[in-house]
Amino acid sequence: DTGVSQDPRHKITKRGQNVTFRCDPISEHNRLYWYRQTLGQGPEFLTYFQNEAQLEKSRLLSDRFSAERPKGSFSTLEIQRTEQGDSAMYLCASRPGQGGTGELFFGEGSRLTVL
Amino acid sequence: SQQGEEDPQALSIQEGENATMNCSYKTSINNLQWYRQNSGRGLVHLILIRSNEREKHSGRLRVTLDTSKKSSSLLITASRAADTASYFCATDTGGGNKLTFGTGTQLKVEL
Repeated sequence: DTGVSQDPRHKITKRGQNVTFRCDPISEHNRLYWYRQTLGQGPEFLTYFQNEAQLEKSRLLSDRFSAERPKGSFSTLEIQRTEQGDSAMYLCASRPGQGGTGELFFGEGSRLTVL
Repeated sequence: SQQGEEDPQALSIQEGENATMNCSYKTSINNLQWYRQNSGRGLVHLILIRSNEREKHSGRLRVTLDTSKKSSSLLITASRAADTASYFCATDTGGGNKLTFGTGTQLKVEL
């Protein structure tokens, strides 16, 4: 068990470009969450998967954002036509579906800078 | 949206002193959790307190929960420089089991 891993850790892009982030959760965790965190703020919920099913999406997730978890393992978060306001840390977290203590296990995050 | 607000926003203390952070939230909860985040890193879970519990301890951490006031506090005793980090409370309201985070307290422990 190597924990939750995210890639890339840092991404600098120009406005209008598309970016994709990948998250590999802890292997036995079937719940996966994406959060966004801007400087000086707490993480804000974006979306949540149970296995491959996307069960909830925040209103923060505009139509430029799409997340997938095709085989119920890793997940991707794509942002199309990036805007400067998309600059943030994108955090992935996972937890077991049944049992466990309710805590989330976070990755180190993917920091996006849109120029 | 942020469920909780934390107070103070920033706290600076000397090593060995105790640090107290407070969290207020708005809706009924299943449990409340505290997380720590070092600068530029991910969040690490510290402690969870269920809605039917009033106090919980873990090492140098003590958490209290007052559901009538919709508030919680985190006490770190005998602080160390390595405790310097941001601390967030997070509430689990049961819907999808997602957590809703507060705005955080930035703690600095000076030698």
